[in-house]
Amino acid sequence: EVQLVDSGGGLVQPGGSLRLSCAASGFTFSNYGMDWVRQAPGKGLEWVSYISYSGSVTYYTDSVKGRFTISRDNAQNSLYLQMNSLRDEDTAVYYCARGNGSYSRDGVDYWGQGTPVTVSS
Amino acid sequence: DVVMTQSPLSLPVTLGQPASISCRSGQSLVYSDGNTYLNWFQQRPGLSPRRLIYKVSNRDSGVPDRFSGSGSGTDFTLKISRVEAEDVGVYYCMQGTHWPYTFGQGTKLEIK
Repeated sequence: EVQLVDSGGGLVQPGGSLRLSCAASGFTFSNYGMDWVRQAPGKGLEWVSYISYSGSVTYYTDSVKGRFTISRDNAQNSLYLQMNSLRDEDTAVYYCARGNGSYSRDGVDYWGQGTPVTVSS
Repeated sequence: DVVMTQSPLSLPVTLGQPASISCRSGQSLVYSDGNTYLNWFQQRPGLSPRRLIYKVSNRDSGVPDRFSGSGSGTDFTLKISRVEAEDVGVYYCMQGTHWPYTFGQGTKLEIK
């Protein structure tokens, strides 16, 4: 059974940092691109970042470019999102998700339970 | 970024009746490989989203056949042939043709 378990969220002050983790199981992690998608409170979904199966290709939405870094450890079946210089508008539930299709163009077919991030002083 | 516009944003439906959600993109979603990367997701209250449809009309495993997707170019539709109580939630279209991938605003389906 495919499982994605998100962790690492919490309360952080503006300008602070946080590292999200996602533990994957039930599939060959190194064969899949992975993504982070977020959802601000009461709002819709926003694609944040993508990483290819090998980690050699990464994409970021403009609002997080230069502040967030996506990475993965295929030996540990883990996905990460390092978030620096956090802003109020980064407050959201962050979902780890398994990509489907080339560069996740078919969307994502499995989602984690989400980890909440609150940026506030 | 490619803007995805859904309508309606609120959809009250009587149990057993059909429902339809429209999604329009600001640019054509036909990719250079000939595929159209338009996907649909359902988010039930309090849960993570779930993909229903990929590449316009391909239903995911386990998705009831009362859900169907259609469309081309910039205009797409998700149809539910007979709404059931478990269909309550928010539905999002999403394009995977142009980075950054973008979602529609969401359509909230409720039982009348």
